Amino acid sequence: EIVLTQSPGTLSLSPGEGATLFCRASQTVTNNYLAWYQQRPGQAPRLLIYGASSRATGIPDRFSGSGSGTDFTLTISRLEPEDFAVYYCQHYGSSLFTFGGGAKVGIK
Amino acid sequence: QVQLQESGPGLVKPSETLSLTCTVSGSSIRSAYYWSWIRQSPGKGLEWIGSRYHDGSPYYNPSLKSRITVSLDTSKNQFSLKLTSVTAADTALYYCARHGAGTAAFAHFDYWGQGALVTVSS
Repeated sequence: EIVLTQSPGTLSLSPGEGATLFCRASQTVTNNYLAWYQQRPGQAPRLLIYGASSRATGIPDRFSGSGSGTDFTLTISRLEPEDFAVYYCQHYGSSLFTFGGGAKVGIK
Repeated sequence: QVQLQESGPGLVKPSETLSLTCTVSGSSIRSAYYWSWIRQSPGKGLEWIGSRYHDGSPYYNPSLKSRITVSLDTSKNQFSLKLTSVTAADTALYYCARHGAGTAAFAHFDYWGQGALVTVSS
């Protein structure tokens, strides 16, 4: 089972700033089966990025994903007020879905 | 517009069976998607429970496999979860979700329900 470790655990930033979140897998991720989700308080997770770098339908282009192998990144170019939330990475492999522990982007 | 909505008891006694239903609108559960259950608890974060395709065998998280059943009711466009022998560790927010059946769409969940909180307590 691949374990996903997200860092940093918490980011404190101001609107307009950029954010970079990391997700490290304990083994190589095949087929770039790595997705990112945003979860706002009281809401379900929302798909942002799949296949490591493809934006989901309706996701603004300030969100971008990159990476391969064991190291992946979610970048938010300019934080809008609605972007302050918790972000999760997720992997699929060997008939198992796993999630990272989450990273919170909070308002400074 | 695809919508998923969980329903079921919010309180289950220890050792009993947790039962939840997900009603799907805007997408047929006979279509090319897998229908899934995911839970979220403060202690364990997000945890995939299991998934099922309309004409295939289900596949389950090995850590829960002995206690889980995911089934589909195509006549009602619903799918359900049964989790047996529950303990306090099964207290969580339970989500139903969908992932694709094709190669590009298989590995992520594109639609989620709002979640149903289930507490295990006597």
